[in-house]
Amino acid sequence: NAGVTQTPKFRVLKTGQSMTLLCAQDMNHEYMYWYRQDPGMGLRLIHYSVGEGTTAKGEVPDGYNVSRLKKQNFLLGLESAAPSQTSVYFCASRHGTGANQPQHFGDGTRLSIL
Amino acid sequence: SQQGEEDPQALSIQEGENATMNCSYKTSINNLQWYRQNSGRGLVHLILIRSNEREKHSGRLRVTLDTSKKSSSLLITASRAADTASYFCAPINDYKLSFGAGTTVTVRA
Repeated sequence: NAGVTQTPKFRVLKTGQSMTLLCAQDMNHEYMYWYRQDPGMGLRLIHYSVGEGTTAKGEVPDGYNVSRLKKQNFLLGLESAAPSQTSVYFCASRHGTGANQPQHFGDGTRLSIL
Repeated sequence: SQQGEEDPQALSIQEGENATMNCSYKTSINNLQWYRQNSGRGLVHLILIRSNEREKHSGRLRVTLDTSKKSSSLLITASRAADTASYFCAPINDYKLSFGAGTTVTVRA
């Protein structure tokens, strides 16, 4: 049982390049989330999904797009990377039965934009 | 957003001592969770306390919640080197968590 798996673990991009971060969970969770973590700022919610085929904006959605075509996968896309998007990106998932359910996190993708 | 703010930012203690960290938030909440993050890893859920609870225990963890003061505390008793990590509180409104910058705890051997 792998839990939440993020790929890749590390990536370096040049400004203007595009890429997709993949999050996969094997716990049959309904809810999935993408966060970014920057020094001294905690985790900020980028986008989230409450079920297959649905997505919604979080606190800092600009410059990112997401898709949830399959229940187990949540993709985060950067169409034209900017240095301000250098960060550590975390994916999380949880059961949909009530807000008390804990979120399960992956180990992050460390992304540097040059 | 309903963001938790942890205090202090950093804490250094000797192995065997207790570590206490605090969390404040601004508006009414449904419940509050605490998470731990080891260096280079994702967050791990520690404990949930509901808005109608005042105190909760889990092993060496003790969490309190004071909704009148909009604050919570996490106490780790008899700390160990393995407790070295960052700790985050996450007030919950609706189905979204809001994390602060966390408290970084260093346990010295």
